[in-house]
Amino acid sequence: EVQLVESGGGLVQPGRSLRLSCTASGFTFGDYAMSWVRQAPGKGLEWVGFIRSKAYGGTTEYAASVKGRFTISRDDSKSIAYLQMNSLKTEDTAVYYCTRGMGVAAYWGQGTLVTVSS
Amino acid sequence: DIQMTQSPSSLSASVGDRVTITCQASQDISNYLNWYQQKPGKAPKLLIYDASNLETGVPSRFSGSGSGTDFTFTISSLQPEDIATYYCQQYDNLLSLFTFGPGTKVDIK
Repeated sequence: EVQLVESGGGLVQPGRSLRLSCTASGFTFGDYAMSWVRQAPGKGLEWVGFIRSKAYGGTTEYAASVKGRFTISRDDSKSIAYLQMNSLKTEDTAVYYCTRGMGVAAYWGQGTLVTVSS
Repeated sequence: DIQMTQSPSSLSASVGDRVTITCQASQDISNYLNWYQQKPGKAPKLLIYDASNLETGVPSRFSGSGSGTDFTFTISSLQPEDIATYYCQQYDNLLSLFTFGPGTKVDIK
């Protein structure tokens, strides 16, 4: 059974950093791209970015709203994808989900809440 | 960037009704269009991929159609458990662009 579990959310002050983790199980992690999607309270879904599998270079792509501040990485030996968030803004407050794959998100984690506030 | 619009933004229907949601892309996206269902406090769930393909395990009352810029999502007979917000999402693997529509909230009348 495919499982994705996000962790690392919490309350952080504006301008600070936070790293989220997505621990995967039930599939060969290294074979898949991994994506992050967020949802601000009471709002819709926003794609954040993704990291390709090593077979496709392990490269990353980001939404314009986070480019230059957020970094996605992966550790295939541990089946974990990371979302490093720097220079956080209040508008980054959201539930952050990791998903398997790129364009079609058939598997989602339960999400982790990040609150950016002073 | 490709913009996605959905209509209506919300609707209220009776159990057993046929429900239709439309999604329009600002430019041709072929059939690279997915539909998700999200219930309150839960992660989204993939229902339809590539415009018209039913995800495994999803009830057959859900269906999707369309290509190019205009897409339709249908619930043939609304059930109480279908109360949720539905999102369309386009994807362009070549340009690495992924955009969700604003969502349609479905309630029971």
